[in-house]
Amino acid sequence: NAGVTQTPKFQVLKTGQSMTLQCAQDMNHEYMSWYRQDPGMGLRLIHYSVGAGITDQGEVPNGYNVSRSTTEDFPLRLLSAAPSQTSVYFCASRLSLGGGPEAFFGQGTRLTVV
Amino acid sequence: DAKTTQPPSMDCAEGRAANLPCNHSTISGNEYVYWYRQIHSQGPQYIIHGLKNNETNEMASLIITEDRKSSTLILPHATLRDTAVYYCIVRAPRTAGNMLTFGGGTRLMVKP
Repeated sequence: NAGVTQTPKFQVLKTGQSMTLQCAQDMNHEYMSWYRQDPGMGLRLIHYSVGAGITDQGEVPNGYNVSRSTTEDFPLRLLSAAPSQTSVYFCASRLSLGGGPEAFFGQGTRLTVV
Repeated sequence: DAKTTQPPSMDCAEGRAANLPCNHSTISGNEYVYWYRQIHSQGPQYIIHGLKNNETNEMASLIITEDRKSSTLILPHATLRDTAVYYCIVRAPRTAGNMLTFGGGTRLMVKP
């Protein structure tokens, strides 16, 4: 049981480039979400999904897209990277909206945009 | 979500109990108290949660006051690996957006 797996662990992008951060979970969790964490700050929600085919915006969605074609995968796409998107990105999953209060987090992707 | 207040930092001697306080004076009746921790550069880790009764699991104990306006996370025998930032979060279940709002947390330093 791998839990929540994020790839890559580290990434450097040039301004304007696009890329996809991958997130996969093998726990059959319905609820998945993406957070970013900036130095000295807590987590801020980017996007979330309550099930396959359903996504919604969090606090800071601008510049990011998501899709949820399967229960297992929830990729985060940066459309045109900007230095302000330099951050550590965490993917999290939970059993469902109504069950399992605890969230399981991936180990993070450290992104630097130059 | 109810706002929480935690001390920014605490020290604890290895092998001793670490007691981490959290104030949540505006907590609503249906809101739970959750604790997570984040060890440097790693993803947050769930520790424990509770509504009004005290809770214990293999990692920690959670003591919630009778008026539910504050709580204490207890690590009974702290080890060096418990050095981390500990976050207290208060929220209702079955909430879709903004699942977890982590504030500043308490930076616990366990010393030999």
